[in-house]
Formats: sequence, C-alpha cells, structure tokens
Amino acid sequence: AQKVTQAQTEISVVEKEDVTLDCVYETRDTTYYLFWYKQPPSGELVFLIRRNSFDEQNEISGRYSWNFQKSTSSFNFTITASQVVDSAVYFCALSEFPMIKAAGNKLTFGGGTRVLVKP
Amino acid sequence: DVKVTQSSRYLVKRTGEKVFLECVQDMDHENMFWYRQDPGLGLRLIYFSYDVKMKEKGDIPEGYSVSREKKERFSLILESASTNQTSMYLCASSLVGAHEVTDTQYFGPGTRLTVL
Repeated sequence: AQKVTQAQTEISVVEKEDVTLDCVYETRDTTYYLFWYKQPPSGELVFLIRRNSFDEQNEISGRYSWNFQKSTSSFNFTITASQVVDSAVYFCALSEFPMIKAAGNKLTFGGGTRVLVKP
Repeated sequence: DVKVTQSSRYLVKRTGEKVFLECVQDMDHENMFWYRQDPGLGLRLIYFSYDVKMKEKGDIPEGYSVSREKKERFSLILESASTNQTSMYLCASSLVGAHEVTDTQYFGPGTRLTVL
C-alpha cells in the first residue's frame, strides 16, 4: 500500500526566511508520480509540481525548488525568501502508474504542512 | 484553464437528511474524484469515476454513493447524513493521457459541510 508522510504539521517563519517542507513516501511500484499542492485559506488546492519516478533532477521555479531523492524516498519542497502570500497548507501526494483504466490515477496524500509566514 | 466548480461553498444539514454535492468540470476530463479533507488526515478518496456511469470505491466509501450521468458532472450523495460526515469535500478531475498515463488532478474550491 502507498503511504505519504509529512512529519511537520506546522511551520512558522518570518518573511524572507527559507522554509523546507519534508515529504517521505512508501510504494512498492517502480513507476509512480509525486505531486505538491498548495491550499491557501480560500480552500482550493493549487497544483504546483508533478515528478515521475524516472526523473530525479531537482527543479526550480522562481522561489520554489524541489529535491527528489529516490534513495531515501523523499521529495522535499523549499520556499526561498518566503512571503506572507506563501502562507497555506502544502500537501505532498503520490500516484501509482495505472495499468488499467479502471484503476484511475488515485492520489495518496500526506497529512499536510501548514506554513505560516509572519511579516 | 481547467475549471472545476462545486455547487456550494458552505452547507449545513441535519442528521438523517439526504445530501447532494455537485461537481462540474469544463475540460472534457475522463476521470473525476471525490475526496474528504479532515485536519491531520490530509485528503482521503471516497469514490472516483473514469467514465460516464462508471465508478470505483476509494478508501472510505462507506456512507456515500456517487452518480455520473454526464461526463462533465459527478455527484456525491450522502444517503442519510451523520455528524461524522461533517468535513470539507473536494472534487477533482483529470485526463487519462496516452497509454493510460496518469495525469494531474485539478481541484474545485471545496464544500464545507456541517451536519448537525
């Protein structure tokens, strides 16, 4: 069975500090996808990034960066120079590769990490 | 842009009532999903559908049913609402890509349901 663990339930930082969110996953599959979503106070989950298990390159998008390490089953997310608008709950999720259509691309979510950025 | 809409942002119902939560997507996605979100538990899959009239149970289907009569619409039904179904409900949709490759799920704004 798949499992995603986000050990940090809440992180509080002051604006302009960097913040790293940890994500550790478990899966028996060799092919899978990892995701990060942001949920601002408005409630809607916003897709941030998708990574497949074959691609271990780190990625940077503006102030966001992701570190995927297959050897430790981790997919960590760093916000550099945090801003108040980064305050949200962030979810890491895992999806196995569906071999049949009926399996769908079900996501297994971690419990989420609430990030509070203070001015 | 993908747009997923849900019929209500907030809903208050009484124990025993039948409750309908509606979700509509405008991107011709094959897959649609219903999740519930509870503090500390993340999102848990209730049901999903990969085609019209097709449905599959997720991790926590008890107490819920679903209906997908049209491709763009996926309804979640609480036959007899109970207080432990008080939660945030999120709908999502996704494509099925070539060779059944998994694709990104896009979420609606959520419905916060309170059952008294």
